[in-house]
Parts: sequence; structure tokens; C-alpha cells
Amino acid sequence: EVQLVESGGGIVQPGGSLRLSCAASGFTFNRHWMHWVRQAPGKGLMWVSRINTDGTRTTYADSVKDRLTVSRDNAKNTLYLEMTNVRADDTAVYYCARDGLTVRAFDSWGQGTLVTVSS
Amino acid sequence: DIQLTQSPSSLSASVGDTITITCRASQTIDIYLNWYQQKPGKAPKLLIYAASNLQTGVPSRFSGSGSGTDFTLTIRSLQREDLATYHCQQTYSTPWAFGQGTKVEIK
Repeated sequence: EVQLVESGGGIVQPGGSLRLSCAASGFTFNRHWMHWVRQAPGKGLMWVSRINTDGTRTTYADSVKDRLTVSRDNAKNTLYLEMTNVRADDTAVYYCARDGLTVRAFDSWGQGTLVTVSS
Repeated sequence: DIQLTQSPSSLSASVGDTITITCRASQTIDIYLNWYQQKPGKAPKLLIYAASNLQTGVPSRFSGSGSGTDFTLTIRSLQREDLATYHCQQTYSTPWAFGQGTKVEIK
């Protein structure tokens, strides 16, 4: 069974840093591109970033570029999102999602981890 | 960047009804349009990919259509468990934007 389990969320002060993790199991992790998607309280979904299979190519939404960094450790089957210089509008549930092998869609999602930026 | 506009933003329907949600793209996206269902407090779940392809395990009462800029999600014979917010997503070009969501309530 495919499983994606996020961790690392919590309360962080404006300007602070946080690292989110997404532990993958039940599939061959190094064959899939992976994504982060976030959802602010009561709002819609926002795509944040993606990373290719070997971690050499990354893409970001403009609003997070230069502050959030996606990476992966294929030996540990884990995806990461390093958050720096966080702002109030980064407050959201952060989901990791798997890119389908044959379809350009997110075919599995984690349960999400909540990041709250507040002083 | 490509923008997606869903309509309506919310709707209320009865069990057994057929409902339609539309998603319009700001420029052509071929068939690179996906639909997700998000139940309250849960993660999204893929329903339809590439405009009209049903994801494995999704009931056949869900269907999608469209290409270019205009797309629809149809739910036939609405069930109580279909109470959720439905999101469209384009994967034609990054950033892979989502629509603002359509909340479906059961009367």
C-alpha cells in the first residue's frame, strides 16, 4: 500500500525556519517525481514545488522561491521541504504528493502537516 | 501563469441528482486537466486525470470531459458520501495551478 507520511509541522515565528519531511513507503520512491502542495485555512490548494526523480531538478511557485527548498533522499525514501524566512501567509497544511508514472497528476497524497507562522 | 476558474463555488443538491462543475482555463491546456475530491478534514484524492480518465477505484458515477479551455466534472446519482470540495488542476505548464474549489453539499 502506498503511504506518504508528513511530519515536522508546528508553530514558528515570522522570519524563522522549519523543515518538513515526507516518508514514503509501499512504492519505488526513486521512480517518481514528488510535489509539495499547501492549503491555507479555509482556502483552496496551492502547488508549491516539485522535484525530479534524482533530485537534480526543482521548480517552485513564485511566492515561495528563494525561501522554500525541496530536496529528497532516495536512500531514505524521504522528501523534504526546508522553509526559511517564513511569513504569516505561509501558514497552511502542507501535503506531499506523488506524481503518477504514466499520468501527469497527483495520484497519492499524504495526510498533511500544519505549519502556523505566528509570534 | 495559467489561471483556473471553477463554477459554481458551492452548490446544494439532493441524493440521486446529477450535478455538473465547470473549470475554465485562462489559456489552452489541451487535456491536461485533473479533478480531485477533498472530504472535510482529509487530503485530496485523485478522481479524474487527463480530462476524462477515471482513476482506478473511483465510482463510475464520476465522469469528466472537455479539452482546450473548458472542462466539466459530472456526478450522476449523487450520494451522501460525495459531500466534499472538488478541485480542478492544470498540469500543462508550471506552476500547476488549482481552481478555487467547489463545495458540494447534500440537501
